[in-house]
Amino acid sequence: GQNIDQPTEMTATEGAIVQINCTYQTSGFNGLFWYQQHAGEAPTFLSYNVLDGLEEKGRFSSFLSRSKGYSYLLLKELQMKDSASYLCAWGDYKLSFGAGTTVTVRA
Amino acid sequence: EAQVTQNPRYLITVTGKKLTVTCSQNMNHEYMSWYRQDPGLGLRQIYYSMNVEVTDKGDVPEGYKVSRKEKRNFPLILESPSPNQTSLYFCASSFLARGSTDTQYFGPGTRLTVL
Repeated sequence: GQNIDQPTEMTATEGAIVQINCTYQTSGFNGLFWYQQHAGEAPTFLSYNVLDGLEEKGRFSSFLSRSKGYSYLLLKELQMKDSASYLCAWGDYKLSFGAGTTVTVRA
Repeated sequence: EAQVTQNPRYLITVTGKKLTVTCSQNMNHEYMSWYRQDPGLGLRQIYYSMNVEVTDKGDVPEGYKVSRKEKRNFPLILESPSPNQTSLYFCASSFLARGSTDTQYFGPGTRLTVL
């Protein structure tokens, strides 16, 4: 299996920036996914990185460094609706997910 | 509307009584997968399928079976459920990208309780 680590919880203020780190230990050609999951709902896709570097999508950006086994998800201009769990996943056809980071946005 | 559907959404059953959770997608996706989600453990992959009649084990396949006779359907079968299979189950589907899956679309989830 693959070890994927991400922080359990993070808290931030509305309008701020939060960075969620994800580290993994694996090898081979794979990609790194980020999913958002609101309480009681299914995960929804946020981003996919297969090459090193930063991918920007509006308020959300994702970074990957394959040589360092490291990724982060950057959430900018936080809104209350961003309160959710953020899941990092690594793999090809067989995916391994981290336990998720619960982000709480406070007014 | 493009979607992944699962049935039932909620199920309470007893140990040893065979059950099937259905999963269907209408997006012509090649790839389908089953996950279970437990507190503190995150999503763990049970089985996945890359096309009709092609299935493979994920990280936690013990106690589960799957079949992929049609492209749109990927049922999860628990031949003899046990209490440790009490969990929230998600089905997902996607197209296949080079070397990996593409964006996965998740079904709404099935909450299973085995007494």
